[in-house]
Amino acid sequence: DQQVKQNSPSLSVQEGRISILNCDYTNSMFDYFLWYKKYPAEGPTFLISISSIKDKNEDGRFTVFLNKSAKHLSLHIVPSQPGDSAVYFCAARPISGANNLFFGTGTRLTVIP
Amino acid sequence: ETGVTQTPRHLVMGMTNKKSLKCEQHLGHNAMYWYKQSAKKPLELMFVYSLEERVENNSVPSRFSPECPNSSHLFLHLHTLQPEDSALYLCASSQELAHYEQYFGPGTRLTVT
Repeated sequence: DQQVKQNSPSLSVQEGRISILNCDYTNSMFDYFLWYKKYPAEGPTFLISISSIKDKNEDGRFTVFLNKSAKHLSLHIVPSQPGDSAVYFCAARPISGANNLFFGTGTRLTVIP
Repeated sequence: ETGVTQTPRHLVMGMTNKKSLKCEQHLGHNAMYWYKQSAKKPLELMFVYSLEERVENNSVPSRFSPECPNSSHLFLHLHTLQPEDSALYLCASSQELAHYEQYFGPGTRLTVT
């Protein structure tokens, strides 16, 4: 059973508007969350992360929000740019002792100029 | 070359063939990983190496055989694969084993006929 879920396979947003990508998880032992971005024919690249002791982390146009009680995190991109068009993967790591990152299936974001 | 490189980028092989995937990281990292991404499925961790020692093998069939001759190189030897093994195989590295941020290569698109 998938422990990290991205229920929206795709999202289209107008340039300049906000993009919100969502991720849900089931394992309460996850303590660190990451977002990766993937362009076609390239590997995923790290974008932003958040520890479970925080509820928000911001880096330029990218902000990740964590709601532990709801086991939900989201990535906000504002303003969205055409270069942001890519597949975004959410990933989560269990509390120390595990070497695994659990990934979602990804959301394809298209930013329309 | 910078980052994480993988060769070949595409591979078509028959079920009786033997082939190898190669990964090289130019980041001075100590941990390396093999992931498998099948269509519409999340990335699945296959193997983890730390300082050339295998530390994790996630119930991967023996027809996949990893090799890590040094901390910069990682191989995945393939033999008698099945059509369902067709997938994108991604290599990643991280500074240390417990380091959350992993750097990915572009992947090898494998098709088993």
